[in-house]
Amino acid sequence: AQKITQTQPGMFVQEKEAVTLDCTYDTSDQSYGLFWYKQPSSGEMIFLIYQGSYDEQNATEGRYSLNFQKARKSANLVISASQLGDSAMYFCAMRERSNDYKLSFGAGTTVTVRA
Amino acid sequence: EPEVTQTPSHQVTQMGQEVILRCVPISNHLYFYWYRQILGQKVEFLVSFYNNEISEKSEIFDDQFSVERPDGSNFTLKIRSTKLEDSAMYFCASRGDRGHSYEQYFGPGTRLTVT
Repeated sequence: AQKITQTQPGMFVQEKEAVTLDCTYDTSDQSYGLFWYKQPSSGEMIFLIYQGSYDEQNATEGRYSLNFQKARKSANLVISASQLGDSAMYFCAMRERSNDYKLSFGAGTTVTVRA
Repeated sequence: EPEVTQTPSHQVTQMGQEVILRCVPISNHLYFYWYRQILGQKVEFLVSFYNNEISEKSEIFDDQFSVERPDGSNFTLKIRSTKLEDSAMYFCASRGDRGHSYEQYFGPGTRLTVT
């Protein structure tokens, strides 16, 4: 079974608008963490934001925020005020204590920001 | 800011040849990982390494693969006899054992092309 599901293979967004990237996860652990990474065309993996399963507040990092809905097992990434440099592949990932904290990744969503 | 480094950035090899991919994790980190990303696909876990031994490996990590921390700073992934399907981006990651997020810091990746 897939641990991380990203249902949007690709999205277009207008510059300066917000975009929401969907991520749902599957785990039976009580303690887990959710990550979002950005992968530009150059290939590196850039950490964006983290949400712990016990965190009561949604995580925010600058223009990135994570809409964490624990009961629904979703951890959507919101990018506000999109910039051309946001065009990239975005991966949702989960680490579980029961899994030695290794990361399980989703299939990714390609975001293209239009001027 | 400390970072994970990987060499080479791109390696081209012929099928059947041995390759060694090198990584220098962040110096005070204790846990090390290799991940693989076939072009256009999601990132897949290969192996985790702690206290000089493999702590977990995926089904991808068969007898053709091995990892080593030969000198306390480098962390290497060896593929003994490369196959065409080994062509991928290989990411090294490391993490400490402190902190809230257990964030894994990724290197820039090595693109392996097997011809």
